[in-house]
Amino acid sequence: ETGVTQTPRHLVMGMTNKKSLKCEQHLGHNAMYWYKQSAKKPLELMFVYNFKEQTENNSVPSRFSPECPNSSHLFLHLHTLQPEDSALYLCASSQDWDRGSYEQYFGPGTRLTVT
Amino acid sequence: SQQGEEDPQALSIQEGENATMNCSYKTSINNLQWYRQNSGRGLVHLILIRSNEREKHSGRLRVTLDTSKKSSSLLITASRAADTASYFCATDAGTGKTGANNLFFGTGTRLTVIP
Repeated sequence: ETGVTQTPRHLVMGMTNKKSLKCEQHLGHNAMYWYKQSAKKPLELMFVYNFKEQTENNSVPSRFSPECPNSSHLFLHLHTLQPEDSALYLCASSQDWDRGSYEQYFGPGTRLTVT
Repeated sequence: SQQGEEDPQALSIQEGENATMNCSYKTSINNLQWYRQNSGRGLVHLILIRSNEREKHSGRLRVTLDTSKKSSSLLITASRAADTASYFCATDAGTGKTGANNLFFGTGTRLTVIP
């Protein structure tokens, strides 16, 4: 768990604010992921990056904008959010799937509250 | 949906008892993974079972997989209070783009182990 860090751990923002979530992995992995976890719902995969290239965007609203400047860092830029966007946002990383490594390593999450 | 579904949603047992959680899914998979999440924290990978395996052990954990029934079970033996957490199954259908894997999670089983 300590191989993937996320900041901030808690964030309260108004609907007109702009903020960013940061994720950093120290595991030398190639792929990074953003997930949204809402109460009583399955974990929702939002974005996938592999070698800095976005490979998946699961119909996420444009008010969420990901950025992956290198294989170790992943950002999620937020603007004009809605109260229903309040959730735990989890970042994860994994080694190259083609090498037979399938498990993902998660950060502790950012608890986001939109007021 | 590719997502797994865990059963039961909640389970409460006495310390020392065994806990069994089940997972059902709908599509063909490359592997199935179990994760644990302490309240409001990130997920921790527990164990992975490949589609050509039927049973796997890791310490007090035992996982079974029945691909004909599209189901898996996680058994925790001799439970401890520290095992209290939510447990999720995640299916990997191998649908991710090269190098990254897309995992599909269920809503989890909330396990409470009473001291």
